[in-house]
Amino acid sequence: DIQMTQSPSTLSASVGDRVTITCRASQSISSWLAWYQQKPGKAPNLLIYKASTLESGVPSRFSGSGSGTEFTLTISSLQPDDFATYYCQQYNFYSTFGGGTKVEIK
Amino acid sequence: EVQLVESGGGLVQPGGSLRLSCAASGFIFSNYAMSWVRQAPGKGLEWVSVSSASGDSTFHVDSVKGRFTISRDNSKSTLYLQMNSLRAEDTAVYYCAQSTRPRVWDSSTWGFWGQGTLVTVSS
Repeated sequence: DIQMTQSPSTLSASVGDRVTITCRASQSISSWLAWYQQKPGKAPNLLIYKASTLESGVPSRFSGSGSGTEFTLTISSLQPDDFATYYCQQYNFYSTFGGGTKVEIK
Repeated sequence: EVQLVESGGGLVQPGGSLRLSCAASGFIFSNYAMSWVRQAPGKGLEWVSVSSASGDSTFHVDSVKGRFTISRDNSKSTLYLQMNSLRAEDTAVYYCAQSTRPRVWDSSTWGFWGQGTLVTVSS
């Protein structure tokens, strides 16, 4: 099984900050990595797939990078709507989600 | 507009059974793999099961293998999850989700999700 580890688990930041979340895979997954945003009481929303491709309608302040086993999600300038929990997902072999990173207001 | 509506959740005793349904509309259901993803209260996402578009191929994670069975009825555009031998640790909101890649079932992202249905396993 492929394990996904996210860090940090919680991140405190202010509006306008640049934020980076890391996701590591237990084995190489090439670029088969996606990022989701989830707000309380809501279903997750796909932001990025294939490590760096933005889903349609996702603001350009979101970006993804990485390949192999290490990946990052960056929000270039945090907006009020971005306070949420973010999950990475590998889909090299079925699916596995990371443990999540909660982005909270500092 | 894609819509996924889950139903069938509720309170069940340990060792009991429950069948979840996910009614789909707004797309050609038989063209897409579908999954169940769950989220325990206050916890992260756990991908549980997937069905290929035809239903001929399925996969379940180890934590539910032998207890849960995913299936689908393409004539009714409905996905199911039969859950047997339920345990307290199965308590979660269960989401159904549509693959973003038509006919790809074993390596996909999940683009549309239902609102979820809560399953509580407790005596």
